[in-house]
This record gives sequence, C-alpha cells and structure tokens, in this order.
Amino acid sequence: ETGVTQTPRHLVMGMTNKKSLKCEQHLGHNAMYWYKQSAKKPLELMFVYSLEERVENNSVPSRFSPECPNSSHLFLHLHTLQPEDSALYLCASSQDFDRGNEKLFFGSGTQLSVL
Amino acid sequence: DQQVKQNSPSLSVQEGRISILNCDYTNSMFDYFLWYKKYPAEGPTFLISISSIKDKNEDGRFTVFLNKSAKHLSLHIVPSQPGDSAVYFCAASAYTGNQFYFGTGTSLTVIP
Repeated sequence: ETGVTQTPRHLVMGMTNKKSLKCEQHLGHNAMYWYKQSAKKPLELMFVYSLEERVENNSVPSRFSPECPNSSHLFLHLHTLQPEDSALYLCASSQDFDRGNEKLFFGSGTQLSVL
Repeated sequence: DQQVKQNSPSLSVQEGRISILNCDYTNSMFDYFLWYKKYPAEGPTFLISISSIKDKNEDGRFTVFLNKSAKHLSLHIVPSQPGDSAVYFCAASAYTGNQFYFGTGTSLTVIP
C-alpha cells in the first residue's frame, strides 16, 4: 500500500466515549500532521510532528491528544468530545517540516460525528 | 482571521471551456502557493504550485498565475473536462515553517 492511510473512514461517538484515529504513511516522510475540516471553513492545522517530536499545537483543546510513536504512524486520541467537534479529520505528511515549500500528502480522512 | 480566501464557493463550466478559480491572500510574507483538488470521500491531492519568484506556472491543462501586488492567484484549467469536477483548495505558506493556510474551497462542476 502506498501514500497516507487513515482509519476508520467514519466514526460516530457519544460525548463520553474514548476513541482513536489512526494514520499511517508509506512515503518515508519525516513530518506528519492532523488537520480538521469543518463545513464551510478552511482546513485548520491541529498538530505537527517532525521526526516524532511535536512541533506545533495550534491551541487545540486537551480533549484531542496526539501521539506519534514513530515517523510512520500518527494517532489522534479523542475523549469527551463535543458535538461541534464533528468534522472531517485529515492526516497529512511531508518530506520535512522546516521548509516552507513542502507538498502535503493527505489521507482520505475520518468523518467524525459526535452525538 | 482568514489569511487565504476563496470567495466563490462554486463554479459551473461547460466541457471544453476554460475554468478560472480565484484565491486572495492577506499576508505579504507568503511566498509559496499551492492548489489541491479534492474528490468526495478522498483526501486533497496536490495539483500545482508556484513560488513567489514566478508569476506563472504551467502543467498540462493547468496554469497558476500569481499577482503579488494584488495578493491574488488564479488557477486556469483549459480545456475543462468532466473529470475535473471536484473541490479546489488554495493554500499558502511562508518560507519559515511549513504551516499552510488554506482557503475554504471552490466546488467546480464541469458540465458535459
């Protein structure tokens, strides 16, 4: 398998549930990202990991907890979410983080609904 | 505060004609711009990019134009094909750091 793979594709959870989103990249990239896409809003950067270290955290509530165990895998742990957290969550990777001309390669996303 | 804006949520074009998608930005530090294409149920895929040292970049049917003084870029698709029907996102970044700022997207429909 090539590219960036995300699971699950769809997720429905209650506000008291705990769930995790998984992302795996097969491109040998050093940087991985979580983005959130809400309806009618631009993609919002949530977290960036470069060489398995978190380098960006864009004021994301603590109910979202990322984990990057190695350069190929990225998780987003979800806990006590709110209905307004319902969105498409996209994982992406790039060769490196520290240059401003890197292309992002996206997964297909997880469509999350919080009831 | 949105730094990258796509003011047209949707656009319909006849097959064979030109599609022009527009994007405006506010941050004069942006020096690298990309267009992504997104089909339903798929993630965005890279389409074409342009650096601020250029004012045009062409790749097959796709051409991106950059007007730095107006802080405006556009994507031209010619001739448009039904398979081009998708949502197109504009994104911008500054050289320092790799945070891309995205627009809200324009949904293009190419009518056969």
